Amino acid sequence: AQTVTQSQPEMSVQEAETVTLSCTYDTSESDYYLFWYKQPPSRQMILVIRQEAYKQQNATENRFSVNFQKAAKSFSLKISDSQLGDAAMYFCAYALIQGAQKLVFGQGTRLTINP
Amino acid sequence: DVKVTQSSRYLVKRTGEKVFLECVQDMDHENMFWYRQDPGLGLRLIYFSYDVKMKEKGDIPEGYSVSREKKERFSLILESASTNQTSMYLCASSLDQSSYEQYFGPGTRLTVT
Repeated sequence: AQTVTQSQPEMSVQEAETVTLSCTYDTSESDYYLFWYKQPPSRQMILVIRQEAYKQQNATENRFSVNFQKAAKSFSLKISDSQLGDAAMYFCAYALIQGAQKLVFGQGTRLTINP
Repeated sequence: DVKVTQSSRYLVKRTGEKVFLECVQDMDHENMFWYRQDPGLGLRLIYFSYDVKMKEKGDIPEGYSVSREKKERFSLILESASTNQTSMYLCASSLDQSSYEQYFGPGTRLTVT
């Protein structure tokens, strides 16, 4: 079975600084997707960024970028120029490309932004 | 924008009661999902549905059932609520089997006493 592990329950960063959230996963499959979802205090979860495993290039969305290391099964999220609105729970998630769309989530990391 | 709504933000029920959690999406999505969220455990999939009247078990289906009579509505049923079902319940939907982005509702905080 696939598992996703986020080893940092909580992180904090100064506003305007850069922070990296860690995620590792375990799978025997070669084709899959990885995601970072953000859950602000209002609770509505939204997708931040997605990475296809077959792509070597790391995905980027504005201030958000990932460091995808397929061999190491590592998928970290880097947030540059942190803003107060980035404060949230961040979840790493995995899904197989073939078959069911089931997402497997990590435990989450609570990110605090210090003004 | 896709909107996923859940019938209640907060719900308090007694042990043994039958509980219905309702979820509605307004974008004609084929897929709908129910998760429970617990601190330190992340989100765990309870049930999902690819089409009307179709359902599949997720990772933790025990003690739950679901109903999807209409495409836009997916209900989670706790047949006999227990205290270990106290949790945050999140509903999500996605367009179809080629789409991996899931859109989430605001969640229902259920307390069983």
